[in-house]
Amino acid sequence: NAGVTQTPKFQVLKTGQSMTLQCAQDMNHNSMYWYRQDPGMGLRLIYYSASEGTTDKGEVPNGYNVSRLNKREFSLRLESAAPSQTSVYFCASRDRGNSGANVLTFGAGSRLTVL
Amino acid sequence: GQQVMQIPQYQHVQEGEDFTTYCNSSTTLSNIQWYKQRPGGHPVFLIQLVKSGEVKKQKRLTFQFGEAKKNSSLHITATQTTDVGTYFCAGPGGSQGNLIFGKGTKLSVKP
Repeated sequence: NAGVTQTPKFQVLKTGQSMTLQCAQDMNHNSMYWYRQDPGMGLRLIYYSASEGTTDKGEVPNGYNVSRLNKREFSLRLESAAPSQTSVYFCASRDRGNSGANVLTFGAGSRLTVL
Repeated sequence: GQQVMQIPQYQHVQEGEDFTTYCNSSTTLSNIQWYKQRPGGHPVFLIQLVKSGEVKKQKRLTFQFGEAKKNSSLHITATQTTDVGTYFCAGPGGSQGNLIFGKGTKLSVKP
Protein backbone atom coordinates (compact mmCIF):
# COMPACT_ATOMS: atom_id res chain seq x y z
CA ASN A 1 0.00 0.00 0.00
CA ALA A 2 1.31 3.43 -0.94
CA GLY A 3 -0.70 5.21 1.77
CA VAL A 4 -0.70 8.94 1.02
CA THR A 5 1.13 10.11 -2.08
CA GLN A 6 2.02 13.76 -2.69
CA THR A 7 3.42 15.40 -5.79
CA PRO A 8 5.64 17.20 -6.43
CA LYS A 9 8.23 16.62 -3.71
CA PHE A 10 10.03 19.87 -4.48
CA GLN A 11 8.98 23.02 -6.33
CA VAL A 12 10.45 26.48 -6.81
CA LEU A 13 8.11 29.25 -7.88
CA LYS A 14 8.43 32.92 -8.60
CA THR A 15 6.18 35.37 -6.82
CA GLY A 16 2.81 35.53 -8.57
CA GLN A 17 3.02 32.11 -10.20
CA SER A 18 0.36 29.51 -9.57
CA MET A 19 0.63 25.82 -8.90
CA THR A 20 -1.29 22.85 -7.58
CA LEU A 21 -0.08 20.30 -5.07
CA GLN A 22 -1.59 16.90 -5.63
CA CYS A 23 -2.48 14.34 -2.98
CA ALA A 24 -3.96 10.88 -3.27
CA GLN A 25 -4.66 8.18 -0.70
CA ASP A 26 -5.44 4.54 -1.28
CA MET A 27 -6.76 3.66 2.19
CA ASN A 28 -10.40 4.52 1.47
CA HIS A 29 -10.29 7.22 4.15
CA ASN A 30 -13.11 9.73 4.34
CA SER A 31 -11.23 12.77 5.66
CA MET A 32 -8.26 14.50 4.08
CA TYR A 33 -6.16 17.44 5.23
CA TRP A 34 -3.55 19.91 4.10
CA TYR A 35 -1.04 21.20 6.66
CA ARG A 36 1.90 23.51 6.34
CA GLN A 37 4.99 23.23 8.50
CA ASP A 38 7.28 26.14 9.21
CA PRO A 39 10.26 26.22 11.60
CA GLY A 40 9.10 26.73 15.17
CA MET A 41 5.44 26.81 14.14
CA GLY A 42 4.53 23.16 14.19
CA LEU A 43 1.83 21.88 11.85
CA ARG A 44 -0.91 24.29 10.91
CA LEU A 45 -4.09 23.22 9.18
CA ILE A 46 -4.80 24.99 5.90
CA TYR A 47 -7.92 23.23 4.64
CA TYR A 48 -9.66 19.94 5.23
CA SER A 49 -12.29 17.77 3.66
CA ALA A 50 -14.37 15.72 6.07
CA SER A 51 -15.87 13.69 3.26
CA GLU A 52 -16.09 13.60 -0.50
CA GLY A 53 -17.83 16.72 -1.75
CA THR A 54 -17.08 18.93 1.25
CA THR A 55 -14.20 21.26 2.07
CA ASP A 56 -13.66 23.65 4.97
CA LYS A 57 -11.13 26.23 6.06
CA GLY A 58 -8.58 25.45 8.70
CA GLU A 59 -6.35 27.77 10.71
CA VAL A 60 -4.42 29.39 7.82
CA PRO A 61 -6.51 29.24 4.60
CA ASN A 62 -5.68 32.63 3.07
CA GLY A 63 -3.98 32.39 -0.31
CA TYR A 64 -5.03 28.79 -0.90
CA ASN A 65 -7.86 26.87 -2.52
CA VAL A 66 -8.63 23.19 -2.43
CA SER A 67 -10.56 20.63 -4.44
CA ARG A 68 -11.75 17.26 -3.24
CA LEU A 69 -11.81 15.67 -6.65
CA ASN A 70 -13.09 12.31 -5.42
CA LYS A 71 -12.67 10.17 -2.33
CA ARG A 72 -9.01 9.48 -3.14
CA GLU A 73 -7.75 12.88 -4.21
CA PHE A 74 -7.45 16.25 -2.49
CA SER A 75 -5.50 19.02 -4.19
CA LEU A 76 -4.17 22.33 -2.87
CA ARG A 77 -3.83 25.31 -5.19
CA LEU A 78 -1.82 28.48 -4.82
CA GLU A 79 -3.31 31.00 -7.25
CA SER A 80 -0.65 33.69 -6.84
CA ALA A 81 2.30 32.45 -4.81
CA ALA A 82 3.95 34.72 -2.25
CA PRO A 83 7.28 34.32 -0.41
CA SER A 84 5.29 33.83 2.82
CA GLN A 85 4.01 30.58 1.34
CA THR A 86 7.49 29.08 1.31
CA SER A 87 6.99 26.03 3.48
CA VAL A 88 6.74 22.28 3.64
CA TYR A 89 3.24 21.08 2.85
CA PHE A 90 1.86 17.83 4.16
CA CYS A 91 -1.25 16.06 3.02
CA ALA A 92 -2.87 13.64 5.45
CA SER A 93 -5.89 11.39 5.61
CA ARG A 94 -7.95 9.95 8.42
CA ASP A 95 -10.61 7.31 8.64
CA ARG A 96 -13.32 8.87 10.77
CA GLY A 97 -15.69 6.54 12.54
CA ASN A 98 -13.24 3.71 12.92
CA SER A 99 -12.05 3.79 16.54
CA GLY A 100 -9.14 1.59 15.71
CA ALA A 101 -7.75 3.89 13.04
CA ASN A 102 -8.77 7.42 14.02
CA VAL A 103 -5.29 8.79 13.41
CA LEU A 104 -3.64 10.83 10.70
CA THR A 105 -1.54 9.20 7.99
CA PHE A 106 0.77 11.74 6.38
CA GLY A 107 2.30 11.94 2.95
CA ALA A 108 6.03 12.49 2.49
CA GLY A 109 5.62 16.23 2.07
CA SER A 110 6.11 18.83 -0.66
CA ARG A 111 8.83 21.42 -0.15
CA LEU A 112 7.82 24.69 -1.82
CA THR A 113 10.07 27.72 -2.24
CA VAL A 114 8.67 31.00 -3.51
CA LEU A 115 11.26 33.50 -4.70
CA GLY B 1 -9.53 29.16 20.44
CA GLN B 2 -8.13 25.93 21.76
CA GLN B 3 -4.39 25.77 22.09
CA VAL B 4 -1.97 22.93 22.62
CA MET B 5 1.31 24.03 24.10
CA GLN B 6 4.40 21.90 24.12
CA ILE B 7 7.68 22.34 25.97
CA PRO B 8 10.57 22.44 25.60
CA GLN B 9 10.98 23.54 22.00
CA TYR B 10 14.44 21.97 21.79
CA GLN B 11 16.28 19.40 23.85
CA HIS B 12 19.87 18.31 23.40
CA VAL B 13 20.94 15.21 25.31
CA GLN B 14 23.89 12.90 25.53
CA GLU B 15 23.17 9.39 24.35
CA GLY B 16 21.97 7.37 27.31
CA GLU B 17 20.34 10.30 29.10
CA ASP B 18 16.59 10.48 29.59
CA PHE B 19 14.28 12.90 27.78
CA THR B 20 10.81 14.25 28.53
CA THR B 21 8.48 16.50 26.55
CA TYR B 22 5.34 18.00 28.01
CA CYS B 23 2.06 18.93 26.40
CA ASN B 24 -0.65 21.17 27.87
CA SER B 25 -4.08 21.98 26.51
CA SER B 26 -6.22 24.98 27.32
CA THR B 27 -9.27 22.70 27.36
CA THR B 28 -10.08 19.15 28.41
CA LEU B 29 -9.26 16.66 25.71
CA SER B 30 -11.20 13.53 24.81
CA ASN B 31 -7.91 11.99 23.73
CA ILE B 32 -4.35 12.95 22.89
CA GLN B 33 -2.08 11.60 20.20
CA TRP B 34 1.68 11.63 19.80
CA TYR B 35 3.59 11.71 16.52
CA LYS B 36 7.28 11.49 15.68
CA GLN B 37 8.91 13.20 12.72
CA ARG B 38 12.42 12.14 11.76
CA PRO B 39 14.66 14.81 10.19
CA GLY B 40 13.53 15.35 6.61
CA GLY B 41 10.59 13.02 7.10
CA HIS B 42 6.90 13.23 7.79
CA PRO B 43 4.99 12.85 11.07
CA VAL B 44 4.26 9.27 12.01
CA PHE B 45 1.66 8.25 14.56
CA LEU B 46 3.05 6.78 17.78
CA ILE B 47 0.15 6.38 20.19
CA GLN B 48 -3.24 7.59 21.36
CA LEU B 49 -4.24 8.04 25.00
CA VAL B 50 -7.90 8.18 25.92
CA LYS B 51 -8.43 7.53 29.63
CA SER B 52 -7.76 9.89 32.51
CA GLY B 53 -4.43 9.01 34.13
CA GLU B 54 -3.59 6.51 31.39
CA VAL B 55 0.01 5.33 31.07
CA LYS B 56 1.25 3.40 28.04
CA LYS B 57 4.68 2.10 27.23
CA GLN B 58 6.40 1.34 23.96
CA LYS B 59 9.82 -0.12 24.75
CA ARG B 60 11.80 2.85 26.13
CA LEU B 61 8.96 5.35 25.54
CA THR B 62 6.40 6.06 28.28
CA PHE B 63 3.31 8.13 27.55
CA GLN B 64 1.06 9.63 30.21
CA PHE B 65 -2.30 11.37 30.09
CA GLY B 66 -3.08 13.63 33.01
CA GLU B 67 -5.89 13.01 35.47
CA ALA B 68 -7.70 16.14 34.27
CA LYS B 69 -7.11 15.17 30.62
CA LYS B 70 -5.50 18.54 29.94
CA ASN B 71 -1.86 17.50 29.87
CA SER B 72 0.33 14.72 28.66
CA SER B 73 3.98 13.73 28.62
CA LEU B 74 6.34 11.55 26.65
CA HIS B 75 9.40 10.19 28.44
CA ILE B 76 12.23 8.37 26.71
CA THR B 77 14.57 6.34 28.89
CA ALA B 78 18.22 6.04 27.89
CA THR B 79 18.01 7.89 24.59
CA GLN B 80 19.60 6.48 21.47
CA THR B 81 20.60 8.21 18.25
CA THR B 82 17.58 6.60 16.60
CA ASP B 83 15.36 8.73 18.85
CA VAL B 84 16.43 11.92 17.06
CA GLY B 85 13.53 13.88 15.62
CA THR B 86 10.64 16.13 16.51
CA TYR B 87 7.89 14.85 18.78
CA PHE B 88 4.42 16.35 18.45
CA CYS B 89 1.38 16.00 20.62
CA ALA B 90 -2.04 16.62 19.11
CA GLY B 91 -5.53 16.89 20.50
CA PRO B 92 -8.96 17.14 18.87
CA GLY B 93 -10.32 20.67 18.62
CA GLY B 94 -12.16 23.05 16.39
CA SER B 95 -14.93 21.91 14.14
CA GLN B 96 -15.32 18.20 13.47
CA GLY B 97 -12.63 17.33 15.97
CA ASN B 98 -9.73 18.18 13.71
CA LEU B 99 -6.37 17.65 15.36
CA ILE B 100 -4.57 20.66 16.80
CA PHE B 101 -0.84 20.10 17.03
CA GLY B 102 1.62 21.42 19.55
CA LYS B 103 4.68 23.11 18.07
CA GLY B 104 6.78 20.06 18.80
CA THR B 105 9.93 19.28 20.73
CA LYS B 106 13.03 18.76 18.64
CA LEU B 107 15.31 16.16 20.19
CA SER B 108 18.96 15.87 19.28
CA VAL B 109 21.14 13.11 20.71
CA LYS B 110 24.91 13.37 20.91
CA PRO B 111 26.64 10.00 20.59
